[in-house]
This record gives sequence, structure tokens and C-alpha cells, in this order.
Amino acid sequence: GENVEQHPSTLSVQEGDSAVIKCTYSDSASNYFPWYKQELGKRPQLIIDIRSNVGEKKDQRIAVTLNKTAKHFSLHITETQPEDSAVYFCAAGWPSGGYNKLIFGAGTRLAVHP
Amino acid sequence: DAGITQSPRHKVTETGTPVTLRCHQTENHRYMYWYRQDPGHGLRLIHYSYGVKDTDKGEVSDGYSVSRSKTEDFLLTLESATSSQTSVYFCAIIRGEGMNTEAFFGQGTRLTVV
Repeated sequence: GENVEQHPSTLSVQEGDSAVIKCTYSDSASNYFPWYKQELGKRPQLIIDIRSNVGEKKDQRIAVTLNKTAKHFSLHITETQPEDSAVYFCAAGWPSGGYNKLIFGAGTRLAVHP
Repeated sequence: DAGITQSPRHKVTETGTPVTLRCHQTENHRYMYWYRQDPGHGLRLIHYSYGVKDTDKGEVSDGYSVSRSKTEDFLLTLESATSSQTSVYFCAIIRGEGMNTEAFFGQGTRLTVV
């Protein structure tokens, strides 16, 4: 089955710096890679996703890149702000021809210091 | 929010007792999931359903069973609760079609087994 590794587990940056979180996955059949943000005591919420037919996707200060050959994908946050502080999860899923199953990484706790 | 409700939101139970958590959706989505969230482990898939009476195991299914007798309800049962099942449980649905699908989470159930 699918296995998703996420690094680092914690990340501390100064406001205005960039933050990068990396994930690797094991199942080459996976073709959907979302990123979720979870604030304390709340549900995870989708912030951006990418599908296997695309190498990069950007939405304002966040971007995601995908390397299907190497089976890794990354989240990039530029010009970080204190409100970006949260736990971020990557996931992989939607294998072609199979039932939709979404497997998550262990999460990255991002702290943005003013 | 996307018509998904988890109940109860909080529960304390004793070791060895059965517990059932309910996930209710109002939008006729086909896929429903149960995850557990624990520090250092992220979101781990327990069971998922791809239709009425169609369910399958996830990564951490031991000690859990599920049932989906109607589209709107997906029940997670701990047959005999153990302290290791103390966790936050999230239900999720898949909304959207084709290239616009998204996993959307309920608000979570905090379960404590004493």
C-alpha cells in the first residue's frame, strides 16, 4: 500500500522568510497530492493540491511542486506570516483504477516568529 | 460546512466498553473515511467506504469495525475500547467530480479511554 514520508517534523522561520516542506510517496500509481493546514483544535483544511499531469501549481504565496519520477512533492510558502503557523500535512492518493484512498504524512509543525 | 457532522464531539469511556462514533453527511457523497490523529503520526486511515455496504480496511483497522447501511451515515465502532484508542477521530468525505475532487473533514471527535 501507499506510504507517505514527510520532513521536517518541525520548522521554525522568521516572518518574511520562506518555508519548504517535503514529502515522498511509495505507490507510483498515486496521482493526487493535496496539502492540508490544521490550526490548533480545528479540522484539517485543504490549501492546495496537485495532480500527476502537472509539475507545479501556485496560489498566491503558496506553491507545490511534483516530481513523479523521484516520487516526491514539496510545499513552498513565501513571505511567511504569523498566521501561517499551523501543522501542515501532505497526502497521496487516488490511484488509477483503484478505489479512492488518501494516505497522509505525519505532519510538519510550522512556527513563524514575528 | 459541506454538510458533514460528527457525533459525539467528545466522549470519555472505560476500557473494555463498546463505543460507536457517527459521521453524517447530507450531500449524497459516495466516499466516506475514518481517520485517527495522534501526535507524531499525523492522520492515519482506519476504514473507508465507497458505497452503501461497501467498506475496506485502511492502515490501522485492528480493533475497529465500520458499517454503512445508508449513504448518509458511516459508523465507526470500537468493539472493546483500549487506552491505545484514545485519539481524535476525523471523518471525511470526497466532494467534487473528476479533476475537482477534494477530501473534506468533519470537526472531529475527541475520544478518551480511561
